[in-house]
Amino acid sequence: KAGVTQTPRYLIKTRGQQVTLSCSPISGHRSVSWYQQTPGQGLQFLFEYFSETQRNKGNFPGRFSGRQFSNSRSEMNVSTLELGDSALYLCASSPVTGGLETQYFGPGTRLLVL
Amino acid sequence: DQQVKQNSPSLSVQEGRISILNCDYTNSMFDYFLWYKKYPAEGPTFLISISSIKDKNEDGRFTVFLNKSAKHLSLHIVPSQPGDSAVYFCAASFTGNQFYFGTGTSLTVIP
Repeated sequence: KAGVTQTPRYLIKTRGQQVTLSCSPISGHRSVSWYQQTPGQGLQFLFEYFSETQRNKGNFPGRFSGRQFSNSRSEMNVSTLELGDSALYLCASSPVTGGLETQYFGPGTRLLVL
Repeated sequence: DQQVKQNSPSLSVQEGRISILNCDYTNSMFDYFLWYKKYPAEGPTFLISISSIKDKNEDGRFTVFLNKSAKHLSLHIVPSQPGDSAVYFCAASFTGNQFYFGTGTSLTVIP
């Protein structure tokens, strides 16, 4: 089975712009979660989608949003970018939702905000 | 508020010796714990997990210990190999909820 794929792998934006990141889960997986990784903060949970519905949401401002399509692919959008949004954004897929199933991570999208 | 904490940002161990990575959590509702390993430029990969009904789970060179009363889990790697050099994240979850990750410990195994 192909793993989780994320596009693009690297991105450079300037403050105030918006960005959309894409994640294709492992075939058959219906849950997609998004995380932000910054030095010293570990992986911070953004949100989880299951069957096109947001199931859980972390403590991030409304500038961070996401959606999931019927084929389970997911997109994450960040509007009005700030310097502090520079991070590695990881998505993870899982067969089911509910927190008791191993998540499989993609390689991440490295976002740099100038 | 960090519900899962890894207080050691880095650890160096000689090849062949034991590596012990520690993780503490604050939420007693957590009932499932995992360890992930992450190499640079790659996403984290699942290593080993443990349910709260157990206090030990072993998989080859990797053993995870869970002490619920102390809200503490640890990952033991025996014997350590240079290829084990990576960042290790612990994560915790409870039914119907999200995963909470620690900040990671960078392990260096010295040949």
